[in-house]
Amino acid sequence: NAGVMQNPRHLVRRRGQEARLRCSPMKGHSHVYWYRQLPEEGLKFMVYLQKENIIDESGMPKERFSAEFPKEGPSILRIQQVVRGDSAAYFCASSPSRDTEAFFGQGTRLTVV
Amino acid sequence: EDKVVQSPLSLVVHEGDTVTLNCSYEVTNFRSLLWYKQEKKAPTFLFMLTSSGIEKKSGRLSSILDKKELFSILNITATQTGDSAIYLCAVEAGGGTYKYIFGTGTRLKVLA
Repeated sequence: NAGVMQNPRHLVRRRGQEARLRCSPMKGHSHVYWYRQLPEEGLKFMVYLQKENIIDESGMPKERFSAEFPKEGPSILRIQQVVRGDSAAYFCASSPSRDTEAFFGQGTRLTVV
Repeated sequence: EDKVVQSPLSLVVHEGDTVTLNCSYEVTNFRSLLWYKQEKKAPTFLFMLTSSGIEKKSGRLSSILDKKELFSILNITATQTGDSAIYLCAVEAGGGTYKYIFGTGTRLKVLA
């Protein structure tokens, strides 16, 4: 059973471009969480999705950021018109239910130049 | 505002030493506390604690939760260089959201 798969591992974007980060949860996991880790900071919750539904997006910036978890395919975190401050490691985690621990992917390191 | 505070921020020890990492929290609708180990990759799950006073143990690592005093400790005995990592404490807040609130981590370096 493969773990949580994120791609790409590294992504470089110029200011103003769009970044699309993908997360395939572990098999059988329908709950997906996205976190952002800025340099020298802890992981910060962004959004919690359960197949086709956004459950909690309280950690998502109100503009430029969106997330989806379609019925088929990976979860996508989309950042439009990236700025330098978006440079961070973005981690995805998944769990089979609300009551079990979440397992993390390797993260996508986004660098905005 | 919900928060999780870890101490110390960093720690340098020698192989064979025992270390204790601390995590205190203030969250509404506490559900569980989790410890993760983060090296240069994904945080890997160590423990999930939901009940006070029950020690969880895995090899040289152990952890316990005190829900009255709102803290947890992670102990590592007979440390090895492979234990060098950032140890993250996260609290799962309920209220229908089930998101994790992470501390900033304790950076542990074990010297040979």
